[in-house]
Amino acid sequence: GAGVSQTPSNKVTEKGKYVELRCDPISGHTALYWYRQSLGQGPEFLIYFQGTGAADDSGLPNDRFFAVRPEGSVSTLKIQRTERGDSAVYLCASSLMGRGETQYFGPGTRLLVL
Amino acid sequence: AQKVTQAQTEISVVEKEDVTLDCVYETRDTTYYLFWYKQPPSGELVFLIRRNSFDEQNEISGRYSWNFQKSTSSFNFTITASQVVDSAVYFCALSESNRISSRLTFGEGTQLTVNP
Repeated sequence: GAGVSQTPSNKVTEKGKYVELRCDPISGHTALYWYRQSLGQGPEFLIYFQGTGAADDSGLPNDRFFAVRPEGSVSTLKIQRTERGDSAVYLCASSLMGRGETQYFGPGTRLLVL
Repeated sequence: AQKVTQAQTEISVVEKEDVTLDCVYETRDTTYYLFWYKQPPSGELVFLIRRNSFDEQNEISGRYSWNFQKSTSSFNFTITASQVVDSAVYFCALSESNRISSRLTFGEGTQLTVNP
């Protein structure tokens, strides 16, 4: 079956602009995660959705970052007033229910803020 | 707080050599899950294995094997008879069951290069 998909694959924007990154999880997976991976480092947790609700957003770095999952499937990560330090690969993962289950990752969106 | 340490930043071997990637973790939980992921140059994280804290049996899958030792908080990964296609960054990760989110905490990764 289809895996996790993310769009766009690459995004270049200017400092101060607003961006949206989209994640389409594996069909039937209720748990959805966003991570951020900087060059040469492991992914870092941002936010977790169980169904439509953000059950854990403690990894969001500041209030410029926000994510939604209105229908419990597709999720959008939104970044306002982008800064050069936001440049990274944003990874989305999904799992069947959460709770220690295997998370399957998408190919990521490479964000570059100029 | 949970933490994963992969002390080997880079490893370079010649094809057909065996190689072991080390992973040491810290957690206060008694129930947790350990994972290994592979990240080839294409960038996508590929799941390799998941183990729970109550299952210390070693596992073998083809040329891959994993050694889980709770006494030393380690979950090491061995590739036997390495191949050029094994070249990638490998990440070890930990998930605690008492967290709402079961977020993954990753190590810094080990860059494995297998030379022909």
